[in-house]
Amino acid sequence: DTAVSQTPKYLVTQMGNDKSIKCEQNLGHDTMYWYKQDSKKFLKIMFSYNNKELIINETVPNRFSPKSPDKAHLNLHINSLELGDSAVYFCASSPWTRSYEQYFGPGTRLTVT
Amino acid sequence: AQKVTQAQTEISVVEKEDVTLDCVYETRDTTYYLFWYKQPPSGELVFLIRRNSFDEQNEISGRYSWNFQKSTSSFNFTITASQVVDSAVYFCALSETETSGSRLTFGEGTQLTVNP
Repeated sequence: DTAVSQTPKYLVTQMGNDKSIKCEQNLGHDTMYWYKQDSKKFLKIMFSYNNKELIINETVPNRFSPKSPDKAHLNLHINSLELGDSAVYFCASSPWTRSYEQYFGPGTRLTVT
Repeated sequence: AQKVTQAQTEISVVEKEDVTLDCVYETRDTTYYLFWYKQPPSGELVFLIRRNSFDEQNEISGRYSWNFQKSTSSFNFTITASQVVDSAVYFCALSETETSGSRLTFGEGTQLTVNP
């Protein structure tokens, strides 16, 4: 059973389109995250939700909107896609206790043309 | 603000060599957690180890070992007798428990290539 899953794995789209990435975890964790990995492999947090409540919202353009329908799911919707949005997006989850490691999904490679 | 520095961008070794990946961190918190993750060519992020700021014992797991030194704010990772399958990008990360929520702050990563 996959612990943290993301769909789709690859996403190729044109500038200006709107797209969504879905994430689900079956670990029973309370907290979920979105990270962005750029072309230089740098990983940076975008959002974090705890039990459906937004707790971290980094300096991310408001074209990016996370949605957590329940604590096992955290989706990322991106409006008006731009070339600079091309990256790998990772979903992760962890127990609320901050000392625990985060478990990452396989990543979604988004390419905007 | 928290920061993690991995000064070695790329390291190339020959199989069976030992290799150490450096990690230096900055934090104002007294309680924090350090992590290492591995990202193989297939792209997933694999958790390797967690260490809390109160536990400076070194840890060994098979060919992997970690050296945590609070005095120098370093959390280095050594692979003994490296193998081709160790080729990956390795990330050091920091989680502060008091000031920055539950985010992980990652270093820039070290690309390790082990040649046969």
